[in-house]
Amino acid sequence: KAGVTQTPRYLIKTRGQQVTLSCSPISGHRSVSWYQQTPGQGLQFLFEYFSETQRNKGNFPGRFSGRQFSNSRSEMNVSTLELGDSALYLCASSLAVGAGARETQYFGPGTRLLVL
Amino acid sequence: GESVGLHLPTLSVQEGDNSIINCAYSNSASDYFIWYKQESGKGPQFIIDIRSNMDKRQGQRVTVLLNKTVKHLSLQIAATQPGDSAVYFCAENTQTGANNLFFGTGTRLTVIP
Repeated sequence: KAGVTQTPRYLIKTRGQQVTLSCSPISGHRSVSWYQQTPGQGLQFLFEYFSETQRNKGNFPGRFSGRQFSNSRSEMNVSTLELGDSALYLCASSLAVGAGARETQYFGPGTRLLVL
Repeated sequence: GESVGLHLPTLSVQEGDNSIINCAYSNSASDYFIWYKQESGKGPQFIIDIRSNMDKRQGQRVTVLLNKTVKHLSLQIAATQPGDSAVYFCAENTQTGANNLFFGTGTRLTVIP
């Protein structure tokens, strides 16, 4: 089975621009979560999507948004980019078989975003 | 809020020795814990998980120990190999039905050949 894929792998933007990152989960996985990884803050949860709905959200400003499509693929968008948004953005997918399940999240390789 | 921290940011071990990576968590409501390994340029890779109704779980060359009394988690790697060199993260989850993980700061394990 193919793993989680993320595109693009690298991206350079300037302040004020917006960016859209894409994530394709493992086939059959219905939950997609996004994380931001920086040297200063570590790995931080952004949001989770399940059945095209945002199920959970971390403490990030509204400039960070996402969506999930019917095939479970997900995109995240960051508007009005700031220098501090430079980070590795990671996507993780899980099976999501039930509301009470604790499921392993499998991570993609990430998209490295540099904001100049 | 949740807080997951690591005792040591770096750990160096000789090849063939056992490694122990520690993690402290602060949220007593956390009931699911996971260890991830992250190699340079890659995303975190699942190693092993443990639920709060257990205190020990073993995998291939790895063992996770959970001490809920002192809110401490450890990862033991037996016969450490050069390929084990990476950053190791512990993560916790407290919310049933949600996949938001809270990660520790990570420990860099270096295996000396």
